[in-house]
Amino acid sequence: GAGVSQTPSNKVTEKGKYVELRCDPISGHTALYWYRQSLGQGPEFLIYFQGTGAADDSGLPNDRFFAVRPEGSVSTLKIQRTERGDSAVYLCASSLSRGELFFGEGSRLTVL
Amino acid sequence: DAKTTQPPSMDCAEGRAANLPCNHSTISGNEYVYWYRQIHSQGPQYIIHGLKNNETNEMASLIITEDRKSSTLILPHATLRDTAVYYCIVRGHGSGNTGKLIFGQGTTLQVKP
Repeated sequence: GAGVSQTPSNKVTEKGKYVELRCDPISGHTALYWYRQSLGQGPEFLIYFQGTGAADDSGLPNDRFFAVRPEGSVSTLKIQRTERGDSAVYLCASSLSRGELFFGEGSRLTVL
Repeated sequence: DAKTTQPPSMDCAEGRAANLPCNHSTISGNEYVYWYRQIHSQGPQYIIHGLKNNETNEMASLIITEDRKSSTLILPHATLRDTAVYYCIVRGHGSGNTGKLIFGQGTTLQVKP
């Protein structure tokens, strides 16, 4: 379909490993957002891209988290040295400038 | 962005109207009220938004008080598929805003047969 696509849908990894989560936004959407959602909580903002640049990365919890969007379309969220506390659903959303956000189904990360 | 306050949970009978309240007493002039919902294991879904006038679309109606300090989302004929967590969010549209949504805990709406 033409919605936001996130891969993988599920990822299980071991503590200390490196993880990449991918987001394919809706074609033509210039704005892209990453969120993290822990069980029983609302989504927590991580980072916002306008085009290729990270316009707001104030939600990234620490320097183990990094995201890129090199061509202004697909984005990758990278987590180094994963910890058990990183276990969550990572949500990606895209929008036309400041229009409504369209969310993907999320990538569920489990760190053992 | 202004904070919002919502009841943690509500029940509604199937076929009846569901009225979900939200307080946003610190909302400023250029901030809109947005509603999203999240059905279990899915990403949040946009429902409706408004600035100061009441709004209606195919999913719901949004009633905003004259002082804009509170609003109510109305699902006119709730079905079992409307069981979800409903988030009320205040979002700035000005040039200094990123457009990001700040989610609270939301209201868990349980529609019962």
